[in-house]
Amino acid sequence: KQEVTQIPAALSVPEGENLVLNCSFTDSAIYNLQWFRQDPGKGLTSLLLIQSSQREQTSGRLNASLDKSSGRSTLYIAASQPGDSATYLCAVRVQGGSEKLVFGKGTKLTVNP
Amino acid sequence: NAGVMQNPRHLVRRRGQEARLRCSPMKGHSHVYWYRQLPEEGLKFMVYLQKENIIDESGMPKERFSAEFPKEGPSILRIQQVVRGDSAAYFCASSPDRGRIGELFFGEGSRLTVL
Repeated sequence: KQEVTQIPAALSVPEGENLVLNCSFTDSAIYNLQWFRQDPGKGLTSLLLIQSSQREQTSGRLNASLDKSSGRSTLYIAASQPGDSATYLCAVRVQGGSEKLVFGKGTKLTVNP
Repeated sequence: NAGVMQNPRHLVRRRGQEARLRCSPMKGHSHVYWYRQLPEEGLKFMVYLQKENIIDESGMPKERFSAEFPKEGPSILRIQQVVRGDSAAYFCASSPDRGRIGELFFGEGSRLTVL
């Protein structure tokens, strides 16, 4: 059974700092991994999608890496801003069956001005 | 191309009533997933449907919950005789095919409150 863990559960940083969010998964049989952002009371916004054959993806100040063999992904946020404050969710698309996404519980990020 | 549309966005029910949540996938998408998010918890898979077929309902509670995705119209998640523990955000996601490499696109969610 696939399990996804995100560390830390919460993180508070001053504005301008670079930071890393961690995600680990127990089964390397995945098709891809997605990072999402969720604002309080809102839906999910897809940030980055990494295919299992890829090592990293970049979008603006965000960079996500994937090491499938070790079951790890990181989301790097450069020059953080107060508007980055949100919960960041990591999810893996499992192989086989319904090929559903399995989510971690998220990291709640607060960027202080 | 409108995104995944869910309604209602907010729903309040008293214990014992029925809740119906609707999801219209993105245009051209024929695969729908429902997820539930309890307070302070991650999203949990409930059910995966294609048009007129339930493919995987392994995450659905055995009683009171049902889902459908008819040939015409939105996918419906139905909760009968709601209890306080059903209070949660319910999210729908769609994809264009059984795409192993594709993204899932999520709606804004429906937030159910049971009094």
